[in-house]
Amino acid sequence: NAGVTQTPKFQVLKTGQSMTLQCAQDMNHEYMSWYRQDPGMGLRLIHYSVGAGITDQGEVPNGYNVSRSTTEDFPLRLLSAAPSQTSVYFCASSSISAPGANVLTFGAGSRLTVL
Amino acid sequence: DAKTTQPTSMDCAEGRAANLPCNHSTISGNEYVYWYRQIHSQGPQYIIHGLKNNETNEMASLIITEDRKSSTLILPHATLRDTAVYYCIVRVVYYSGGGADGLTFGKGTHLIIQP
Repeated sequence: NAGVTQTPKFQVLKTGQSMTLQCAQDMNHEYMSWYRQDPGMGLRLIHYSVGAGITDQGEVPNGYNVSRSTTEDFPLRLLSAAPSQTSVYFCASSSISAPGANVLTFGAGSRLTVL
Repeated sequence: DAKTTQPTSMDCAEGRAANLPCNHSTISGNEYVYWYRQIHSQGPQYIIHGLKNNETNEMASLIITEDRKSSTLILPHATLRDTAVYYCIVRVVYYSGGGADGLTFGKGTHLIIQP
C-alpha cells in the first residue's frame, strides 16, 4: 500500500516553462488536494477535487490548472512558471465522509525552483 | 471554519509528557478538532481528532474541555523524533463543495524536544 505518491521530488524550471506535478493514491479516496508551502509559512490550498470529473479552486489557484480523470490521479499543471511559484508542493487525499473526512494522507512533497 | 490560536513554540524534555494547547473559542457544534504534525521537510501527518469526548490512539491523547473552547494534545512520552510543528485545526467533518474546501493550516506550534 503506497499511500500518496508524488513525482518528481525535485524540479528546476526556467521562467515561462510548463510542467506537471504528478500525484497518485491507491486508497480509493474521493478527495484529493494540492497545497503549497513557502518558507516559514503554513500550507495553502491550491486546488482540490471531491471525485473524478470534479475540481474546484482553493485559496491560491492562480497560475495552476488541475484535472481529475480518474479516482487515483490528480495532476497539477503549471502552464507558465514564475519565480513566485518556487515552493514545496504537497498532494493529499482523504475519504469525503466521516469518519475519514479531513483525515488527510500527504505525499512526501515536490520541491520546485523557478529561475 | 473556526479560528484556532496556538503558542508559537514550546520546549519539552525527552521522556516527559508534552502538552500542546489550542484555543478555539468560536467553535461550532458540528466542528471537530483535528491535530496534525509536520516533521522538518516532510508532508504533514495526521495525529488524532475528536468532537467532544476525549480521544486516545497509539500516538497521542486529545483532551477537549467541556465547553469545547479549547483542547490539549498530549504526547505521553516525548522523544527527539517528536520535534515538529503541530497544527490544531477545527472543521466540519464533510466537504460541502462550497469552495476552498479543505483544511486550513495556520502557523502551528513548533515543539522542540530537548535531550
